[in-house]
Amino acid sequence: GAVVSQHPSRVICKSGTSVKIECRSLDFQATTMFWYRQFPKQSLMLMATSNEGSKATYEQGVEKDKFLINHASLTLSTLTVTSAHPEDSSFYICSARDGQGSHYEQYFGPGTRLTVT
Amino acid sequence: QQQVKQSPQSLIVQKGGISIINCAYENTAFDYFPWYQQFPGKGPALLIAIRPDVSEKKEGRFTISFNKSAKQFSLHIMDSQPGDSATYFCAASPDGTYKYIFGTGTRLKVLA
Repeated sequence: GAVVSQHPSRVICKSGTSVKIECRSLDFQATTMFWYRQFPKQSLMLMATSNEGSKATYEQGVEKDKFLINHASLTLSTLTVTSAHPEDSSFYICSARDGQGSHYEQYFGPGTRLTVT
Repeated sequence: QQQVKQSPQSLIVQKGGISIINCAYENTAFDYFPWYQQFPGKGPALLIAIRPDVSEKKEGRFTISFNKSAKQFSLHIMDSQPGDSATYFCAASPDGTYKYIFGTGTRLKVLA
């Protein structure tokens, strides 16, 4: 089956610093990748959609200058949380859509737990 | 309206019983409805999905029932097992966008 990895799985950073999270599709080419945020015991909230080689499309209310997304290749997308603050602490999950497979099916990564102190 | 309403919020079922989780939507432009299972600290995993041209889809112990006119769909887990204890999310995808709008989630606990 299609596998999506994320790195790191956990990260702790100090307030004011930036953190980069990587999302990779391991065995397929991901024409579209999605970034979600999930607070404890809550649902997944879509932050942005990125297509390879294009600028990301952000959902309403998501600060694009704070959450920088780069989809540099068909297997890699990165999310950089800039000038992180404690309220940015959350579980960040990426997903990827296989351009060759079902048009709608998304494969999710294992998530990255970000803690900002 | 880009919302998907999910119920119940939590569910306790005896081992071997049937777990039923319901979702409702308003936007008729949704045309793909997946269900995901999520364990604590893990990413969601696809269980089963349905398109609106089908009223029911079964895969193993998991069945989706879809009512297009009522704009509702549900997940049935037959012969529920303790290993099924997890949070379940329904989702809907607006036609042509490939984005998912997730429901609020249902925390299922199956008692041994």
